[in-house]
Amino acid sequence: QVQLVQSGAEVKKPGASVKVSCETSGYAFTDYYMHWIRQAPGQGLEWVGWINPKTGDTKYAQRFQDRVTMTRAASNSTAYMELSSLTSDDTAVYFCATIDYWGQGTVVTVSS
Amino acid sequence: EIVMTQTPLSLSVTPGQPASISCKSTQSLLESDGRTYLHWYLQKPGQSPHLLIYDLSHRFSGVPERFSGSGSGTDFTLKISRVEAEDVGVYYCMQSKEVPLTFGGGTKVEIK
Repeated sequence: QVQLVQSGAEVKKPGASVKVSCETSGYAFTDYYMHWIRQAPGQGLEWVGWINPKTGDTKYAQRFQDRVTMTRAASNSTAYMELSSLTSDDTAVYFCATIDYWGQGTVVTVSS
Repeated sequence: EIVMTQTPLSLSVTPGQPASISCKSTQSLLESDGRTYLHWYLQKPGQSPHLLIYDLSHRFSGVPERFSGSGSGTDFTLKISRVEAEDVGVYYCMQSKEVPLTFGGGTKVEIK
């Protein structure tokens, strides 16, 4: 069955960076774009961007354009999202998703 | 960007009764390939969202027949023919016709 398993919770200080991984199995990793979506506490869903696992091409939401980097390792069917210059507003659960399937989410807490 | 507006904000339903959620987009989600890129998700408490309906009206694998999606262009509806206790959670519509992908604000469904 399809599985997207994300890395564990992170606590970061303002100004730091965080890198979240999303290990996939059960489907052809390079056949589906991987999206990253976040959900601030008690809030709705916000799209961060996508990566084409086949080519490495990326597209980011404008508000994250200058501080997000999405990469992938086809060899182990894993996608990564790195977000830099963190502020308390980045405190959220971050999900990887193929539209059809979602990871379990990674809690990122930014606090001094 | 395409703005998605969901109504109502919340819904309290007696088990066995029907429920309906509306979603409107500021642009048509019908693409030249004939597909309508509108999807419905349910996020149960403490879980990641899971796909119910994709491409306007197609039930995802394993989704009960009581869920159905309809609409066209910019107006869409998710219907639950007979609500069950396990249907509680927050329902989101999402468009994937254009980036940034955008979500409705969510409709919280509870059982009376």
